[in-house]
Amino acid sequence: NFVLTQPHSVSDSPGKTVTISCTRSSGSIASNFVQWFQQRPGSSPATLIYEDNQRPSGVPDRFSGSIDSSSNSASLTISGLKTEDEADYYCQSYDGTNLVFGPGTKVTVL
Amino acid sequence: EVQLVESGGGLVKPGGSLRLSCAASGFTFSDAWMGWVRQAPGKGLDWIGRIKSKTNGGTTDYAAPAKGRFSISRDDSKNTLYLQMNSLQTEDTAVYYCITILLWFGEAPIYMAVWGTGATVTVSS
Repeated sequence: NFVLTQPHSVSDSPGKTVTISCTRSSGSIASNFVQWFQQRPGSSPATLIYEDNQRPSGVPDRFSGSIDSSSNSASLTISGLKTEDEADYYCQSYDGTNLVFGPGTKVTVL
Repeated sequence: EVQLVESGGGLVKPGGSLRLSCAASGFTFSDAWMGWVRQAPGKGLDWIGRIKSKTNGGTTDYAAPAKGRFSISRDDSKNTLYLQMNSLQTEDTAVYYCITILLWFGEAPIYMAVWGTGATVTVSS
């Protein structure tokens, strides 16, 4: 089994760009697709990114996902930060049928 | 509009059982793979398991903590997903979400498209 590690929190001002990393402890990050979820306070999670970098219909292109094999990490980048982006963000991947979620990153818009 | 609405949550004593339901609408439920995810108070997300569409065999797969205690089933005639939970412990206290799985790779969900509103389960004496 592997673990996904995320920073506990990130913050920046409106209009800025923030990047959340998701590092896989063992096995290649590129071997299995990564999803990203957003959970606003008091709400259900919502899918932001699937298949590493695909956005569902309705998700703004301010959100983008990428994979970096050199650091064995996935990243979620939020550009043009808005107050409505204040939320918890979770990455998720798998190995076979074993699905693993990251611990979540709290994004604060200053 | 795709909607998932869970019900059946509540307070249960340790060792007890509970069955959650998830009413689906806005899509062809019988074609969908479905799953359950839970979130303990103030904690992150945990995978419980999934059930394939009957076209794909209707089989289930569970995360290790759920194996032997939890069971996922579906009634396509009622567009409803179920989660039967037995031998509940205090650590099972959580909000339980049902999800639709639009894409999978092999046996693994790779696109959990829609999340339900959540059902709260509290296990306490």
